[in-house]
Amino acid sequence: DSGVTQTPKHLITATGQRVTLRCSPRSGDLSVYWYQQSLDQGLQFLIQYYNGEERAKGNILERFSAQQFPDLHSELNLSSLELGDSALYFCASSAVTGNYGYTFGSGTRLTVV
Amino acid sequence: DAKTTQPPSMDCAEGRAANLPCNHSTISGNEYVYWYRQIHSQGPQYIIHGLKNNETNEMASLIITEDRKSSTLILPHATLRDTAVYYCIVISPSGGSNYKLTFGKGTLLTVNP
Repeated sequence: DSGVTQTPKHLITATGQRVTLRCSPRSGDLSVYWYQQSLDQGLQFLIQYYNGEERAKGNILERFSAQQFPDLHSELNLSSLELGDSALYFCASSAVTGNYGYTFGSGTRLTVV
Repeated sequence: DAKTTQPPSMDCAEGRAANLPCNHSTISGNEYVYWYRQIHSQGPQYIIHGLKNNETNEMASLIITEDRKSSTLILPHATLRDTAVYYCIVISPSGGSNYKLTFGKGTLLTVNP
């Protein structure tokens, strides 16, 4: 157990639908990062939040959005889903200073049918 | 952040040392070298990082050349469970809370019995 919790572990949904992925960071970590990993794209950075505020944005589609709540958990919302959105979605958290190592969760496998 | 070059794949015999190279010839003076690994479909796992000096922890050793243009991750006694994709990442901490990691394709290390 890495300390970063992602739910659900698996999600199967139809095209056009909307889903929400949830992430609870490791205790004490203020930063949360979301990554997408599809078979042909590798690990792609989507977005980062720090203490409730958006801090960095990667290749995140407009159909996707995220937020970080006061209790520091984060949610990634994916809407108007397409077959190509099928992927593993990882959340990671990190401390603010010192070691910049991320702690990743075990991911959510999203399958769009 | 500086670009890194890693061999796409390597093999190692179980019980032997695995030496994974990484080239980062354009690294800047304040950039760190980080290593992560990803066991099939699991979340990436932080291994080790360094700036100038060689580093060792319970998982591995990191050897950085004096000119810092390359580094080697050493797994002293590889086991079958070390079979994974290993990522070498160079990052430039911008201070505060903004330091996203960019993953390349990494090296697939296969440990053989």
